Amino acid sequence: SYVLTQPPSVSVAPGKTARITCGGNNIGSKSVHWYQQKPGQAPVLVIYYDSDRPSGIPERFSGSNSGNTATLTISRVEAGDEADYYCQVWDSSSDHQGVFGGGTKLTVL
Amino acid sequence: QVQLQESGPGLVKPSQTLSLTCTVSGGSISSGSYYWSWIRQPAGKGLEWIGRIYTSGSTNYNPSLKSRVTISVDTSKNQFSLKLSSVTAADTAVYYCARVTHDYGTYYFDYWGQGTLVTVSS
Repeated sequence: SYVLTQPPSVSVAPGKTARITCGGNNIGSKSVHWYQQKPGQAPVLVIYYDSDRPSGIPERFSGSNSGNTATLTISRVEAGDEADYYCQVWDSSSDHQGVFGGGTKLTVL
Repeated sequence: QVQLQESGPGLVKPSQTLSLTCTVSGGSISSGSYYWSWIRQPAGKGLEWIGRIYTSGSTNYNPSLKSRVTISVDTSKNQFSLKLSSVTAADTAVYYCARVTHDYGTYYFDYWGQGTLVTVSS
């Protein structure tokens, strides 16, 4: 089955830019979606189709996807952005299944 | 605004069957081309996709759970359900239901329930 690899943790100072990567074999050929999960809450979709933002998600959140790496970029990081972030793809190669990365804990210093 | 709400026992004995229901409000479960999914998360760990169902009854399951999982839908009640058999402590997790939107050959989860904790213990 398809595997997505994320760094366990990323740290960034307020006002700086955070980049969270999601690695997968030729992931650039797939659409990548990103979720933010704060403690005790359900995940929230923040990026879909690699770089589209749902309504209500700040423009500070952006995404890109090429080659073997997809990236979630959070500009002008705020304390409220501290959360776990998960990438997700759909694997249609053998049996249709959703695949999540292991998650990255974003810490705002 | 679509809302999803999980319900079911919070405690299940080992070897028994875990049963959860997700009630959809704010729209018909049959409207639009949506799938409906279950996802779980053990404490302190990541998200694991369990399976999905279309309102026609067509299903797909995570291969690692396929032998124990059944997802069904009741359009008359605007609900879909999860059954996971022969549970062990490893099945202890927060279980989420979610709406699956699809286009251009991909699928993503745009609405989630708040999650419900299920503990497997005697």
